[in-house]
Amino acid sequence: DGGITQSPKYLFRKEGQNVTLSCEQNLNHDAMYWYRQDPGQGLRLIYYSQIVNDFQKGDIAEGYSVSREKKESFPLTVTSAQKNPTAFYLCASSTWFSGSGDTQYFGPGTRLTVL
Amino acid sequence: AQSVTQPDIHITVSEGASLELRCNYSYGATPYLFWYVQSPGQGLQLLLKYFSGDTLVQGIKGFEAEFKRSQSSFNLRKPSVHWSDAAEYFCAVGAENAGNMLTFGGGTRLMVKP
Repeated sequence: DGGITQSPKYLFRKEGQNVTLSCEQNLNHDAMYWYRQDPGQGLRLIYYSQIVNDFQKGDIAEGYSVSREKKESFPLTVTSAQKNPTAFYLCASSTWFSGSGDTQYFGPGTRLTVL
Repeated sequence: AQSVTQPDIHITVSEGASLELRCNYSYGATPYLFWYVQSPGQGLQLLLKYFSGDTLVQGIKGFEAEFKRSQSSFNLRKPSVHWSDAAEYFCAVGAENAGNMLTFGGGTRLMVKP
């Protein structure tokens, strides 16, 4: 079955700790994305990557970091610099044929709670 | 930059009734438009998308949406709602020459009464 997996489903973190969220896809998609979802605010883009070893900041990148060493994987690290990290995090992937309008497919999400 | 407004935060309909969820966008050229559905604690599933051509788009689960350029709208409709349609619905817009970046609306939570 092709798809996107995210782990863990739930994650608890103490203040001041860095945590890494996993995202893996076997759809052979070139592009991958990380979004943050807060109640009533829709989805906001954190980072995206069009190709291996390259990534770009989205609208709310401060306090987050990513890497793209493999096509299948796009882990997100939430650092201690992120002031309000409690949220639902969604990973997505897409083709990048035209660079416009390629459909994004989403993983099941990780809920991060800071204690 | 593009923007998306979903005016209704919550909507409640009776099972079997028709449904229309509103989406208004702001973008100067022809947009790419998407509707996604999210069940509680889950990821987003694509319902349908509009790129060009026929302005009435058919999607999965019996949903359809109509692109109206004059009204800058892309409303989602279903003729008869089922209890399993209770979820949150998101409209999103993409733009030419903007990569694959999407701007999402705030979502509409649909509740279905038996």
